[in-house]
Amino acid sequence: GAGVSQTPSNKVTEKGKYVELRCDPISGHTALYWYRQSLGQGPEFLIYFQGTGAADDSGLPNDRFFAVRPEGSVSTLKIQRTERGDSAVYLCASSTRLAANTGELFFGEGSRLTVL
Amino acid sequence: QKEVEQNSGPLSVPEGAIASLNCTYSDRGSQSFFWYRQYSGKSPELIMFIYSNGDKEDGRFTAQLNKASQYVSLLIRDSQPSDSATYLCAVSRQGGKLIFGQGTELSVKP
Repeated sequence: GAGVSQTPSNKVTEKGKYVELRCDPISGHTALYWYRQSLGQGPEFLIYFQGTGAADDSGLPNDRFFAVRPEGSVSTLKIQRTERGDSAVYLCASSTRLAANTGELFFGEGSRLTVL
Repeated sequence: QKEVEQNSGPLSVPEGAIASLNCTYSDRGSQSFFWYRQYSGKSPELIMFIYSNGDKEDGRFTAQLNKASQYVSLLIRDSQPSDSATYLCAVSRQGGKLIFGQGTELSVKP
């Protein structure tokens, strides 16, 4: 596709439910990042993939959060037992390896998660 | 102490003025610094990056880096209402992970 695609754009769920957020990166981009952005804050790093493997998952807040990228393209961020504090916009970004070194990440429009 | 700190603003400047946005970072070993712009309800987009001490100019934008003071700034000359957005300062980590500041909201008044 032309850009990074994220689905759903909006998700409302109840506390305790399971949620999956999907990211389809720009074709050919090997690096894929997940960030979380709360209102009035900058993006908070969650996890980064280089190919299929998670190169750095140090930003995942706890074991309720998990992400996969089984074929090195599409990635899914999975949140178990959602809590109200998980409400945020979840941003996915991709880059070529070279672009990652220059800081040029291409962001999707985000998935807005609301936990009631 | 946050890794990247910015004044959240809002910073308000009149049209045609110079807007000055500032950022400090805590890791003295940081090498690469970035400014992203984020319009309300939209995703961040890269404006500029800078690696070396001094100034880097691109059109109306100038990034300034002072590694000794651990300070990065972005100047926007001849500010336009279309420049109204949140400006995010970011620092790179190994592998291209970016650590963002909280952002400074800029409002350019016609």
